[in-house]
Amino acid sequence: GAVVSQHPSWVICKSGTSVKIECRSLDFQATTMFWYRQFPKQSLMLMATSNEGSKATYEQGVEKDKFLINHASLTLSTLTVTSAHPEDSSFYICSAPETRGFDEQFFGPGTRLTVL
Amino acid sequence: DAKTTQPPSMDCAEGRAANLPCNHSTISGNEYVYWYRQIHSQGPQYIIHGLKNNETNEMASLIITEDRKSSTLILPHATLRDTAVYYCIARGGGNKLTFGTGTQLKVEL
Repeated sequence: GAVVSQHPSWVICKSGTSVKIECRSLDFQATTMFWYRQFPKQSLMLMATSNEGSKATYEQGVEKDKFLINHASLTLSTLTVTSAHPEDSSFYICSAPETRGFDEQFFGPGTRLTVL
Repeated sequence: DAKTTQPPSMDCAEGRAANLPCNHSTISGNEYVYWYRQIHSQGPQYIIHGLKNNETNEMASLIITEDRKSSTLILPHATLRDTAVYYCIARGGGNKLTFGTGTQLKVEL
């Protein structure tokens, strides 16, 4: 099946620093990728839709200047958490759809961000 | 996408069938029912989907009521590795997935 990877799998940073998370589709191309955030014991919340070659679309309430998304190629999307603060500590997950008769979403393994 | 309602938790004995219900009473005619699961601290995994017919694959079976207002995911022989949060999603056009609170399934010996 299709594989989506994320890097890093976990990161610890100091408050005020920026952190970049990569999402790659390893064996298929994805013009669209999705970024989710998940707090402990909660469900996944869609943050934004990453579009190759154009601006990302952010969900209501998500600060686009805080969470910078770049979809530089058909296999790579990056999420940069700028000036991270402890409340940004969360599990960040990306997904990409691949059409195989239907649009199945493949999810990355997630990135655990801890801001001290 | 239509709202879905699932019980917050269920227990199942290993080797027995796990039947996970989902209510989607406001589902529209073009919305599919998708099931995903998330094992602790991992990304979600696709299980199965259907429109109005019952579906079966190597992982599970999906039973959708005739009026499409509810469905049941069946894991025929649950194992400990099936312990996860199971999400039922009613999805129309586009690739966006809106996750509800899901059902935490605990499979026990």
